[in-house]
Formats: sequence, C-alpha cells, structure tokens
Amino acid sequence: GAGVSQSPSNKVTEKGKDVELRCDPISGHTALYWYRQSLGQGLEFLIYFQGNSAPDKSGLPSDRFSAERTGGSVSTLTIQRTQQEDSAVYLCASSLQGYSNQPQHFGDGTRLSIL
Amino acid sequence: QKEVEQNSGPLSVPEGAIASLNCTYSDRGSQSFFWYRQYSGKSPELIMSIYSNGDKEDGRFTAQLNKASQYVSLLIRDSQPSDSATYLCAAGGSQGNLIFGKGTKLSVKP
Repeated sequence: GAGVSQSPSNKVTEKGKDVELRCDPISGHTALYWYRQSLGQGLEFLIYFQGNSAPDKSGLPSDRFSAERTGGSVSTLTIQRTQQEDSAVYLCASSLQGYSNQPQHFGDGTRLSIL
Repeated sequence: QKEVEQNSGPLSVPEGAIASLNCTYSDRGSQSFFWYRQYSGKSPELIMSIYSNGDKEDGRFTAQLNKASQYVSLLIRDSQPSDSATYLCAAGGSQGNLIFGKGTKLSVKP
C-alpha cells in the first residue's frame, strides 16, 4: 500500500481481555517497528523486526506483550490480560531496510483504551 | 543507555520568526539523524534527514549536524502557525532502530 496501515484505529476493551493490533507496512519495506506513546509522552520503543525475525525485543514491557511477523509483511502485536496502564497509542513504523540510516515511516496508530 | 535529549518546551515564537530546535545525542557511533513533526493526536511525520556534518536545507527547514559536539538542530524560517507541533529528534541506533527524543513542543503565535 501507499503507507503504513494499522488496524483497528481505536480499540476499547475491558481490563483482563486480550487484544491484537495489526500493522501492514509499506510494500517492499523489510523492517518494521512497534512503539507505544502515552498521552503527552515520547515514543517508547517496543520491538523491531527485520524480515520475520526480531533482533531487538528489549522494549516489550512485560511477558503479556508479544509480537510476530509472518511472510515478511503484516505484523501483529498481542497484549494478553490487559491492564489499565496499557492504555496508549500504539504506533507501527516501517523502513526500507533494517539499517539505522533508513528513515522510518509511521502509520496512524491504534488508540487503545482499557476500561 | 543511548539517549537523545531535547528541551521539552514549549518554545514560543512569533509568526515570521526563526524557530530553533536543538537536540543532543549520547551515542558517538550514530551516523544518521532525523527530524519528525507530530501534530497533536497524529502520528510522527518525517520532515528532514541529515547524515553529514554541516547544514542541509529543504524549503523553510534547515537541519544542522555537528558530530564532534554530538548536536543536531532544526531551524524553521518564516515560522507559521501551522508549524505549531511537537518536533521529535531521532538518531540511528546500533541495532537498526532509531533512538527518539521526547520532543520539543513549538508554538507559533500569529
């Protein structure tokens, strides 16, 4: 597609439920990144994929968070047993290759609200 | 811990003035630097990239890089109210990711 596509755009769920967020990167981009941004805060790095592998998972805040990428394209971020502190905007970005000299292009994000 | 530091602001400038946004980074090995603009409630949008020491100009925007001082800046000439946003500085990390600063909020007053 023309840009990074994320779905859903908004998600409201009850505490304790599992949620799955989806990211479809720019066509041909091999690197994919997940970030989290709480209201008024900076970007918090979660995980980075190069192809289907994740060289850097250091940002995942707990074992309730997991992510996968299949076919070198679409990625899903799963949060199990959601907590209220998980409420944030989850942003996905992609870049042509997984080199740090490549700019990242962001999707519009998924706004997650945990009741 | 590799970090990118920015003054959180808000930085307030009058319309038509030059806005100067600054950023320092801790990883001396970083070779690539990016400026993103983020409007309230929107996702970050890439506006400039810079890889070499010196200045890089693109329209009203000029990025400046000084690797010896580990310092990056963004100048916005003839600032407009539509430039009011949070500006994020990012430096290339060793893992293929980018290290983002927390952003500087710019307010351009008509």
